Amino acid sequence: GAVVSQHPSWVICKSGTSVKIECRSLDFQATTMFWYRQFPKQSLMLMATSNEGSKATYEQGVEKDKFLINHASLTLSTLTVTSAHPEDSSFYICSAPTAGQGFVSYGYTFGSGTRLTVV
Amino acid sequence: GDSVTQMEGPVTLSEEAFLTINCTYTATGYPSLFWYVQYPGEGLQLLLKATKADDKGSNKGFEATYRKETTSFHLEKGSVQVSDSAVYFCALIHTGNQFYFGTGTSLTVIP
Repeated sequence: GAVVSQHPSWVICKSGTSVKIECRSLDFQATTMFWYRQFPKQSLMLMATSNEGSKATYEQGVEKDKFLINHASLTLSTLTVTSAHPEDSSFYICSAPTAGQGFVSYGYTFGSGTRLTVV
Repeated sequence: GDSVTQMEGPVTLSEEAFLTINCTYTATGYPSLFWYVQYPGEGLQLLLKATKADDKGSNKGFEATYRKETTSFHLEKGSVQVSDSAVYFCALIHTGNQFYFGTGTSLTVIP
């Protein structure tokens, strides 16, 4: 079946550095990628939606200059947390509609998530 | 706005015990409801879904019924196994393509 490979699974970085998270669709083309974030004891919340070849759409309250999203190809979307701070520590997960399924049939494939810890 | 409230965990059960994980939602109209499961080191996988009131979703022995009158979609399994240990997320999708997730419930089944 459709797979979204997300890397890294976990990362620890120093405050002020940048971290890049990659999501690759392995056997289908992901024209759209959804990026979610989950803080401890809170729900997964949509951060942004990226579309191949165009600018990402950010949800209210998400800083686009801090969370840079690039969707340069049909199989790769990246999220870069720039100048990370401890409050950015969270679980980040991506999701893509499965090719041929479309939104209506709710065929979504999720990555395995990235646990980011900023110290 | 739309939201999902899910029973907090963690939940620890003995093998063959009965499982219930409560989920209620807030949404206007008729959202579609889902249960996703995340096994250790893997992505979220769709476990079951229901798209209209009174629908029952079922898969791998798990069941959930879309109850419009109580705005609930509780997950149940009659006899859990060690392999069911995972994190379970209740979710809804309504207008557009945005999911609203619950906080997730961690389940550990001990032999």
